[in-house]
Amino acid sequence: ELKVEQNPLFLSMQEGKNYTIYCNYSTTSDRLYWYRQDPGKSLESLFVLLSNGAVKQEGRLMASLDTKARLSTLHITAAVHDLSATYFCAVRTSGTYKYIFGTGTRLKVLA
Amino acid sequence: GAVVSQHPSRVICKSGTSVKIECRSLDFQATTMFWYRQFPKKSLMLMATSNEGSKATYEQGVEKDKFLINHASLTLSTLTVTSAHPEDSSFYICSSQRGPENEQYFGPGTRLTVT
Repeated sequence: ELKVEQNPLFLSMQEGKNYTIYCNYSTTSDRLYWYRQDPGKSLESLFVLLSNGAVKQEGRLMASLDTKARLSTLHITAAVHDLSATYFCAVRTSGTYKYIFGTGTRLKVLA
Repeated sequence: GAVVSQHPSRVICKSGTSVKIECRSLDFQATTMFWYRQFPKKSLMLMATSNEGSKATYEQGVEKDKFLINHASLTLSTLTVTSAHPEDSSFYICSSQRGPENEQYFGPGTRLTVT
């Protein structure tokens, strides 16, 4: 069974600080996604990571993928209040194309 | 980007009644759609894969007779929660699979409250 775990589950940080969210998955996958979810809303796509060593950046967020370690990271640089949300990683199963979501990380950036 | 809509966005129903949620691909045809549910402050759990013109494939632990899925056209899948109970209250999100890369595009979600 494919399991996807995120660490930490909750994160409270000060504006201007840096932090990293980790996403570990248990079996092989053909791609990995990061999403943002605001309260009461659906998912906003942030990144799609396709191969080992992939790195993508958008604004204050940077995502990377290490398929050998089955690990993806979402790094936050100089956090601002607007980044407060819940962040999910999701891995796609090869063949069936199902998405298995991580446990989620609730981020709160304090002004 | 691809647009997926859901209707209704919110619904309140009484215990024992059935409620239907629609998921539409507005600008592309989708032979495969997915239904997820999300409890408050929890992750998304895949319920079923909806295949156009054939029966849905349900994930382990999901009651197919309770959650009826119909994918009658390439742009519409429906989820009917039958004989709803308060424990069925949840946020239901659909997605449509598109393109040669089989990416999923997510709908805005439907908040179901069963009283």
